[in-house]
Amino acid sequence: KAGVTQTPRYLIKTRGQQVTLSCSPISGHRSVSWYQQTPGQGLQFLFEYFSETQRNKGNFPGRFSGRQFSNSRSEMNVSTLELGDSALYLCASSTGQQSSYNSPLHFGNGTRLTVT
Amino acid sequence: SQQGEEDPQALSIQEGENATMNCSYKTSINNLQWYRQNSGRGLVHLILIRSNEREKHSGRLRVTLDTSKKSSSLLITASRAADTASYFCATDSANSKLTFGKGITLSVRP
Repeated sequence: KAGVTQTPRYLIKTRGQQVTLSCSPISGHRSVSWYQQTPGQGLQFLFEYFSETQRNKGNFPGRFSGRQFSNSRSEMNVSTLELGDSALYLCASSTGQQSSYNSPLHFGNGTRLTVT
Repeated sequence: SQQGEEDPQALSIQEGENATMNCSYKTSINNLQWYRQNSGRGLVHLILIRSNEREKHSGRLRVTLDTSKKSSSLLITASRAADTASYFCATDSANSKLTFGKGITLSVRP
């Protein structure tokens, strides 16, 4: 079974630009979660989607948005990029039948975003 | 704020020794999970322990959970250089988010 695939692997953007990151979950997984990882803040929860619906959202500004398609693939978008958005963005999928996390998350290798 | 906090922040041991890492959390949980992350890669799930379980084993890994103390420990026995990684505990909180600690950096010297 193929793992979680995130594209692109690396991205360099300039302040003020916007960016779209993509995530393909493991086949059959309907829940996709996004996390931002930085050395200072660690892993911060962005949002979770299940069957095309946002089921939960973290404490990030509205510049961060996401969506999930009918095939469970997900995208996240960051508009008006700031230097502080430089981070590793991780996507994780799970079977996620319920909102409580009673099944493991399977992570992709992330997209390393650098904002200059 | 972090729900789970790992201790110590960094650990350096000799190959063959055991490594013990601790995680404390603040609010009641349904389950607690441990993950490993190699540098520049995604997290890999190690073990999930439910709130009604006290101990769980998986190969060289042993996880304990003490809900009265709101703490968990991860023991890696007979460590290997390949165990060098960051280790995270994660808890599901009342608002249904899976929250990760800041991680423990484990270095295993050959």
